[in-house]
Amino acid sequence: SQTIHQWPATLVQPVGSPLSLECTVEGTSNPNLYWYRQAAGRGLQLLFYSVGIGQISSEVPQNLSASRPQDRQFILSSKKLLLSDSGFYLCAWIGPPGGNTIYFGEGSWLTVV
Amino acid sequence: AQSVTQLDSHVSVSEGTPVLLRCNYSSSYSPSLFWYVQHPNKGLQLLLKYTSAATLVKGINGFEAEFKKSETSFHLTKPSAHMSDAAEYFCVVTSNSGYSTLTFGKGTMLLVSP
Repeated sequence: SQTIHQWPATLVQPVGSPLSLECTVEGTSNPNLYWYRQAAGRGLQLLFYSVGIGQISSEVPQNLSASRPQDRQFILSSKKLLLSDSGFYLCAWIGPPGGNTIYFGEGSWLTVV
Repeated sequence: AQSVTQLDSHVSVSEGTPVLLRCNYSSSYSPSLFWYVQHPNKGLQLLLKYTSAATLVKGINGFEAEFKKSETSFHLTKPSAHMSDAAEYFCVVTSNSGYSTLTFGKGTMLLVSP
């Protein structure tokens, strides 16, 4: 079966600390993967998307980065978190090819203090 | 290229009255369209989706949406609002091209008063 997992679910990090959120998918190959962020009181903002290993497109300049080290793994990172990085982060995958089913990770609630 | 426009950032209704949340889209390819709901501090829940079958789509909790290609719209409706419907609603489009893209609307906050 096709699944997507995202972790950690919640985290509280101090300003200036690093961040790593991980997303993995199962039951497919070469998926299109997405990272979104929802800041408090705002809609979902596309941060990064990836169409394959090592292929990352950034939609919004920020102090975050993404990597696709394996076909079914998508990682969101930061070297130094800012207060403004707080929010709800969501990994997503469209399947099958043609895109009529969206799979979402469980979401990660990040609070930067 | 594709885009989604949710025409209202906030909609206020009274309990028991109809709900209409508007969504317009543009897409260069045949789109699939979705409505998701997000309750406070929760993840996204799929309400319904259109994938080129019947244009009137019925979803969970009494919601439905009609795909109107001529109007490029996919409005979400419910005959009678319930207090538990208060949440944020997102219209989402993907394109049925070889390379799928995923675009969210900015969301509509539905407020339900007693």
